[in-house]
Amino acid sequence: ETGVTQSPTHLIKTRGQQVTLRCSSQSGHNTVSWYQQALGQGPQFIFQYYREEENGRGNFPPRFSGLQFPNYSSELNVNALELDDSALYLCASSADRDYGYTFGSGTRLTVV
Amino acid sequence: TQLLEQSPQFLSIQEGENLTVYCNSSSVFSSLQWYRQEPGEGPVLLVTVVTGGEVKKLKRLTFQFGDARKDSSLHITAAQPGDTGLYLCAGGLNTNAGKSTFGDGTTLTVKP
Repeated sequence: ETGVTQSPTHLIKTRGQQVTLRCSSQSGHNTVSWYQQALGQGPQFIFQYYREEENGRGNFPPRFSGLQFPNYSSELNVNALELDDSALYLCASSADRDYGYTFGSGTRLTVV
Repeated sequence: TQLLEQSPQFLSIQEGENLTVYCNSSSVFSSLQWYRQEPGEGPVLLVTVVTGGEVKKLKRLTFQFGDARKDSSLHITAAQPGDTGLYLCAGGLNTNAGKSTFGDGTTLTVKP
C-alpha cells in the first residue's frame, strides 16, 4: 500500500500571495489532519477533515482553509501569506479518527 | 491551552549508553503518542499509551505513561547511531490522535 504523499516538496512564495498544498492520504484512510511545524518546534494542529467535513480546528486564522475530496485526498490553502507562515506543513491520515495516523514527508514552504 | 514540555531539548551520547527523555504536562491526556522524526521527513509513530501507569516496550525502547496521565518517559537501552533523531511526544484530550498537541521534542544524537 502507498503511504501519505504530499506535493510539492518545496515551495517559495512572496508575502501576500496564496498557496495550495496537496495531500494524498494512504489507501483506505478517510481522516486527514494538517499540521504546521516551524523550525525547531513540534507540529501544531491546523485542522482535521473526516469524510469531507471539517472535524476540528486549531488556533489558526481563517486565511488557513482546507478541503477534503471524495477520494479523501486533501488540500490546505493559505491566503495572504506572511513571513511567519514559513514552515514545514505536514499531512497525516488515518483509517478513522481514533486510529493511528501516518504522516507524509511534508511540504517546506518559504515565504520571502 | 495544554502544553507538553519535553526535556532535555538536546542530548548527545555515545553508542551503547542508556538514556531517558521526558514529556510533562499540567493537563490530563486521554492518550499520548511518541514519534521519531528524521530531517526532511514526517514524524513516525512509535507507540500510543492510553492507561495511567502503562508500560510498553518496543525492542530497546521502553515507554511509560504516568499514573495521573500527565507525563510520560521514553527510555532507550544501549543506544545506537540509528536511534539519532527528533523524539516528539503528543497528547490528546480524547481518543482522536489526529488533533494532538505536540511538544517541541528532544533531539538525540548517538555517536559511534
